[in-house]
Amino acid sequence: KNQVEQSPQSLIILEGKNCTLQCNYTVSPFSNLRWYKQDTGRGPVSLTIMTFSENTKSNGRYTATLDADTKQSSLHITASQLSDSASYICVVRADRGSTLGRLYFGRGTQLTVWP
Amino acid sequence: KAGVTQTPRYLIKTRGQQVTLSCSPISGHRSVSWYQQTPGQGLQFLFEYFSETQRNKGNFPGRFSGRQFSNSRSEMNVSTLELGDSALYLCASSLGIFNRQQNTEAFFGQGTRLTVV
Repeated sequence: KNQVEQSPQSLIILEGKNCTLQCNYTVSPFSNLRWYKQDTGRGPVSLTIMTFSENTKSNGRYTATLDADTKQSSLHITASQLSDSASYICVVRADRGSTLGRLYFGRGTQLTVWP
Repeated sequence: KAGVTQTPRYLIKTRGQQVTLSCSPISGHRSVSWYQQTPGQGLQFLFEYFSETQRNKGNFPGRFSGRQFSNSRSEMNVSTLELGDSALYLCASSLGIFNRQQNTEAFFGQGTRLTVV
């Protein structure tokens, strides 16, 4: 069964600290993986998209990694800021067959950054 | 360039009523997809419209329906509302069919918060 699991469910860190969010998936065959940031009361905004051949991709203080062999991805946030408080959602796209292009959503990690 | 606009932002309805939500996509985008988001289930795909035709559908009952107009604006309707329909409903706008085309990016609106009492 194609699934996307994110951990931890919630996380509290102090401003200026780093953190890492995890995304494990069983989606197969794999096409790509996206990380979204969703502020409270807003829609999700794309942070990064990674394909099978990409191991690391950065977007400012956000760095995503992908291990397609173990089907794991992580999102590392460096020098956290109060504005990083949000839900981070991992979305995996399936490749071919009956699930062609279909998207599978994780339930998100709620990150809270305290001053 | 204007973003995705959803109206209304907030809505309170009673059980058994029906509701219609609206989504105006980014100018030039022909695809609109709809999602239900709840704390327990996260984001769940409802359906997607491209050029006025429904292209994909998620696993929701027939009470959830939608349509798309010639100007790409889309509406979603929920009939016979249940308490469990309380959720944030998000729409996303994209150039291609987001739930089928690998390299298509989607841009989300701010959502409509529906509360059923």
